[in-house]
Amino acid sequence: GAVVSQHPSRVICKSGTSVKIECRSLDFQATTMFWYRQFPKQSLMLMATSNEGSKATYEQGVEKDKFLINHASLTLSTLTVTSAHPEDSSFYICSANIRQTEQYFGPGTRLTVT
Amino acid sequence: QQQVKQSPQSLIVQKGGISIINCAYENTAFDYFPWYQQFPGKGPALLIAIRPDVSEKKEGRFTISFNKSAKQFSLHIMDSQPGDSATYFCAASFTGNQFYFGTGTSLTVIP
Repeated sequence: GAVVSQHPSRVICKSGTSVKIECRSLDFQATTMFWYRQFPKQSLMLMATSNEGSKATYEQGVEKDKFLINHASLTLSTLTVTSAHPEDSSFYICSANIRQTEQYFGPGTRLTVT
Repeated sequence: QQQVKQSPQSLIVQKGGISIINCAYENTAFDYFPWYQQFPGKGPALLIAIRPDVSEKKEGRFTISFNKSAKQFSLHIMDSQPGDSATYFCAASFTGNQFYFGTGTSLTVIP
């Protein structure tokens, strides 16, 4: 299957700082990428849909000023958690669509805010 | 409103047995139904998927059964192995749009 990478895989940051997570499609171009958040033993919660060259579409209840998404190219989308707080600690996963149908996920990023 | 309902929440199966996970959906416009497997600390991996024009799809030990009239689909894992122990998510989507995920099923296969 198609490969989606994420970097970093784990990050620990102090409260009040910002963290950037990168999501790359390695062997295909992705016009649409998705960002999810997953709490332990729970399903994936869609945060936003990222389209190359345009503003991201955020799901209801997701603060767009806190979770900044940039889809600068057909192979890269970034999620920046601004002024992170302990409640932002979570597992963040990106995914990308291929052939408008199949969705492939990255390995996830574990964010811990101390 | 939960677009996709998944059951059971957890499942314990003996090695060699059949694991069955069920999902039901609401929107008849959905046209793509994938299953994902997720190990702890990893992203979900696409396992198998089906479109509503077929009633069954088999890939190795994994089979999707699809009942369009009942708006239900299920994953069958034949000859379950301890290595299959993971969380499984069903999903549904309209082509080119977001996916709606089930709540997940934690499968444990005991030797």
